[in-house]
Amino acid sequence: EVQLVESGGGLVQPGRSMKLSCAASGFTFSDYYMAWVRQAPKKGLEWVASISYEGSSTYYGDSVKGRFTISRDNAKSTLYLQMNSLRSEDTATYYCARHGVKRRPYYYFDYWGQGVMVTVSS
Amino acid sequence: DVQMTQSPSNLAASPGESVSINCKASKSISKYLAWYQQKPGKANKLLIYSGSTLQSGTPSRFSGSGSGTDFTLTIRNLEPEDFGLYYCQQHNEYPPTFGSGTKLEIK
Repeated sequence: EVQLVESGGGLVQPGRSMKLSCAASGFTFSDYYMAWVRQAPKKGLEWVASISYEGSSTYYGDSVKGRFTISRDNAKSTLYLQMNSLRSEDTATYYCARHGVKRRPYYYFDYWGQGVMVTVSS
Repeated sequence: DVQMTQSPSNLAASPGESVSINCKASKSISKYLAWYQQKPGKANKLLIYSGSTLQSGTPSRFSGSGSGTDFTLTIRNLEPEDFGLYYCQQHNEYPPTFGSGTKLEIK
C-alpha cells in the first residue's frame, strides 16, 4: 500500500525557516517524480514544487521560487521542502504527492499524503 | 499559466441522482485534465486523468469527458460516500493548475 506521511509543520514567525519531510513507503520511491501541493485555509489547491525521480531536476511555482527548495533522499525514501523567508501567505496545509507515471514528469498526482499544517504568524 | 474555472461552486443532490461538474481552461489543454476528490481527514484521491481515464479503483459511476477547453465530470447514481469537494487540474503544461473546487452536498 502506498503511503506518504508528512511531518515538520507548525507555527513559525514571518521571515523564519521551516523544513517539511515526507516519508514514503509501499512503492519504489526512486522511480517517481514527487511534488508538494499546498492549500491555504478555505482555499483551493496550489502546486508548489516538483522534483525528478533521481533528484537532478527541480521545478517551482512562481510564488515560492527563490525561497523554497525541494529535495529528496532516495536511500531514505524521503522528500523534503525547505521553506525560507516565510510569509503569512504561505500559511497552508502542505501535501506531499506522487506524480502519476513512473520516471515521467506527467503532472497529475496519483497518491497524496494527509498533509501537514504550516502557520506563519507573529 | 493556464487558468481553470470550475462550476458550480456548490451542488446539492440526493443519493441515486446524477450530477455534473464543469471545468473550463483558459486555453486548450488537449485531453490532459485530472479530477480529484477531497474529504476531511482523508488523503486526496485521484479519480480521473487524461480527461476520461479512470484511475484504478475509481467506481464506474464516475466518468470524465471533454477536450480542448471544456471538460465535465459526471457522477451517476450518487452514493453517500461521493459527497465532498471535487477539483479539476490541468496536466498539459507546466505549471499544473487547479480549479477552485466544487462542494457536493447531500440535499
